[in-house]
Amino acid sequence: DAGVTQSPTHLIKTRGQQVTLRCSPISGHKSVSWYQQVLGQGPQFIFQYYEKEERGRGNFPDRFSARQFPNYSSELNVNALLLGDSALYLCASSLGGGVAVNEKLFFGSGTQLSVL
Amino acid sequence: AQSVTQLGSHVSVSEGALVLLRCNYSSSVPPYLFWYVQYPNQGLQLLLKYTTGATLVKGINGFEAEFKKSETSFHLTKPSAHMSDAAEYFCAVSRPASGGSYIPTFGRGTSLIVHP
Repeated sequence: DAGVTQSPTHLIKTRGQQVTLRCSPISGHKSVSWYQQVLGQGPQFIFQYYEKEERGRGNFPDRFSARQFPNYSSELNVNALLLGDSALYLCASSLGGGVAVNEKLFFGSGTQLSVL
Repeated sequence: AQSVTQLGSHVSVSEGALVLLRCNYSSSVPPYLFWYVQYPNQGLQLLLKYTTGATLVKGINGFEAEFKKSETSFHLTKPSAHMSDAAEYFCAVSRPASGGSYIPTFGRGTSLIVHP
């Protein structure tokens, strides 16, 4: 079975541009969450979606937005890019909506975004 | 607020030696604790988790961790390091999100280096 897939794997943008990152969850998984991992730090939670509805939002500016489609895939959008947005963006999927504290997350390999 | 602190950004061991990666948590409620591993150019993979019950938790690849409430610690150990264990290790604590789900908060990570 395919794992969590993310596209593209690498992306280079300039300040002020907009970017869209894509994630396909494991088949049967209904929840997708997004994380930002800056070099040398742990992942930071951005969003969680379950059944196309937002279930959680981290401490990120409104330039960050996301959505989930009927097939449970998801997009993360970042507007007005800043140099500080350069990071590895990870997507994780899970079976349910994360309401169980021990629900297992399955991570993709990420999209490396560089903002110049 | 729940948080974790990983002591030591880098840990270096010889192949066959004991691995000890340290994690201390801060939580106002009973914590739910996790260890994840990240191999180069890959996403995170769950090693083990503690929610309730037995305080000594066994995970994949021979790793285990012990929840010690009195010390607010959840250190990760492995009796004998293997070259393939070289990776980045993240400790995480789950916190409830506004939408009713649970979201992991990650530490900064510890890079495990294994020498032949």
